[in-house]
This record gives sequence, C-alpha cells and structure tokens, in this order.
Amino acid sequence: AQKVTQAQTEISVVEKEDVTLDCVYETRDTTYYLFWYKQPPSGELVFLIRRNSFDEQNEISGRYSWNFQKSTSSFNFTITASQVVDSAVYFCALKETSGSRLTFGEGTQLTVNP
Amino acid sequence: NAGVTQTPKFQVLKTGQSMTLQCAQDMNHNSMYWYRQDPGMGLRLIYYSASEGTTDKGEVPNGYNVSRLNKREFSLRLESAAPSQTSVYFCASSEWVSTGELFFGEGSRLTVL
Repeated sequence: AQKVTQAQTEISVVEKEDVTLDCVYETRDTTYYLFWYKQPPSGELVFLIRRNSFDEQNEISGRYSWNFQKSTSSFNFTITASQVVDSAVYFCALKETSGSRLTFGEGTQLTVNP
Repeated sequence: NAGVTQTPKFQVLKTGQSMTLQCAQDMNHNSMYWYRQDPGMGLRLIYYSASEGTTDKGEVPNGYNVSRLNKREFSLRLESAAPSQTSVYFCASSEWVSTGELFFGEGSRLTVL
C-alpha cells in the first residue's frame, strides 16, 4: 500500500528565513511519481512539481528546491528566503505507475510572518 | 481560462437530504476526480473517471455516487447526507490518469447538520 507522511503539521517562520518541508513516502512499486501541491488561503490546490522515481536529481525553480532521496524515501521541499505569500498548506503526494490513485500526505501548514 | 469549475461553493444540508455537486473542466482532459478534504487527513479520493464513460471507486466511496455526464462534466451525488460527510469537496482533472498532474477546482464546502 502506498502512504505519504508529512510529519510537520505546522511551521511558522519569519520572512526571509529558509524553510524545509519534509515528506516521507512508502510504496512497493519500483516506479512511481512524487508531487508537491500548494493550497493557499483561497483554497484551490496548485501543482508545483512532479518527479519520477528514475530521476533523483535535485530540482530548483526560483526560490523553490526539491531534494529527492530514494535511499531514505524522502522528497523534501525547501523555500529559500521565504515570503508572506508563501503562507499556505503544502501537500506531498505519491502516484504509483501501476495505479490510478494519487495519495496525499496530511499537509503542512506554513505561516510566514512579516 | 476557467479551468475546473465547481458548484455550489457552499451548501448546508440536513441529515438525510440529497444533493449533487457539479464539476466542469474546459481543458479537454480525459480524467476527472472527486476528493474530500478533512482536517488532519489530507485529501482522499472518493471516485474517479479515467475517461468518458467510465467511473471507478476511490478510497472512500461509501455514501456517494458519480456520473460522468460527458467529457467536460463529472458530478458527485450524496443520496442521503450524513454528518460524517461534512467536508470540503474538490473536483480535479488531468490529461490522463497516468500523468498524475491534477488541476483542481476551488472546492465546495458542505455542512451536514
């Protein structure tokens, strides 16, 4: 069975601090996809990134970076120089290639204070 | 671009009442989904439709029915609402089930008294 764990329920930082959101996953499949979604206060979930299990290269997009480590089954998300607009709930998700279901973690509420 | 549109945005029901949540997407996506979001539980898949004419159960289908009306529209029906169905419901779509990249609507907040 597939499972995603986001141990950090809430994180609060001050603007310009760096923050890392943790994601640990479980799957029996050898091929799968990992995702991060952002849910701002408006409520709509927004896709941020998709990685497949064959590609362990870290990815950077502006202030966002992702660290994928198969050895520890982790797919962590770092925001550099956080801003108030980064305040949101962030979800990590897993989809096995053989399956049709996207399994979400419980989400991490990030609050960035001015 | 509207993307994924859900109606209604808010609804209050009494136990035993029925209602239908409507969802439409304008991205020509083949696959559509209904999720529910509850505090501390992330999003859980209720039903999905891999392509027009097909529907399948997700993780928590009990108490719900769905209809894939056409390629654009996917509705979720509660036949006899229960307080346990108080939740925020999200419709989503993707090009195909295999892609995994979902586009979400803004959500529908349902309260069952």
